[in-house]
Amino acid sequence: SAVISQKPSRDICQRGTSLTIQCQVDSQVTMMFWYRQQPGQSLTLIATANQGSEATYESGFVIDKFPISRPNLTFSTLTVSNMSPEDSSIYLCSAMIQGLNTEAFFGQGTRLTVV
Amino acid sequence: GQQVMQIPQYQHVQEGEDFTTYCNSSTTLSNIQWYKQRPGGHPVFLIQLVKSGEVKKQKRLTFQFGEAKKNSSLHITATQTTDVGTYFCAGPGSNYQLIWGAGTKLIIKP
Repeated sequence: SAVISQKPSRDICQRGTSLTIQCQVDSQVTMMFWYRQQPGQSLTLIATANQGSEATYESGFVIDKFPISRPNLTFSTLTVSNMSPEDSSIYLCSAMIQGLNTEAFFGQGTRLTVV
Repeated sequence: GQQVMQIPQYQHVQEGEDFTTYCNSSTTLSNIQWYKQRPGGHPVFLIQLVKSGEVKKQKRLTFQFGEAKKNSSLHITATQTTDVGTYFCAGPGSNYQLIWGAGTKLIIKP
């Protein structure tokens, strides 16, 4: 199994600023992902964080808005840039130990409010 | 693109009644996973089904995977307050990511 520490757990930010969310996994994992979840909604995949290379973004998400780093097999960051109130949401990082056909582990989530 | 549909969106039950949520994929799945998200929490893995027609039980929870490996269900017998939350199914996508259903929120009537 894997335990993921995600921080901050919540933040209130001014529009136009940026917030970086960090996820630390207690073991080496193959895959790491970043999701956004609106209250009462399902999970929307933002991107797959690739170790040592550029993240793979889903349709509707771009690197300039959501830059992602993954310098090693246990750590990743997501930055929400030039925030607007529409970015208010819960952001979740997730990891899989072996990739295909294995369970996903999640961080505790970051509840972001942009004012 | 690949989709996983899940119904119903909500289910209100009296404590002690049963609860069922259904998932249907647009494509054949190699496996399907189920997760539970408590209010204010993050998704937590419950189980993975791999074989056609597979049925697995965890205490009061029964999980089924269809013969065609395109549909699945989760049934909870005699719900308890601890069962409250949203239940998601998820199937593997083309690039190691998971394709998530919309979730079914289990609400216990007071």
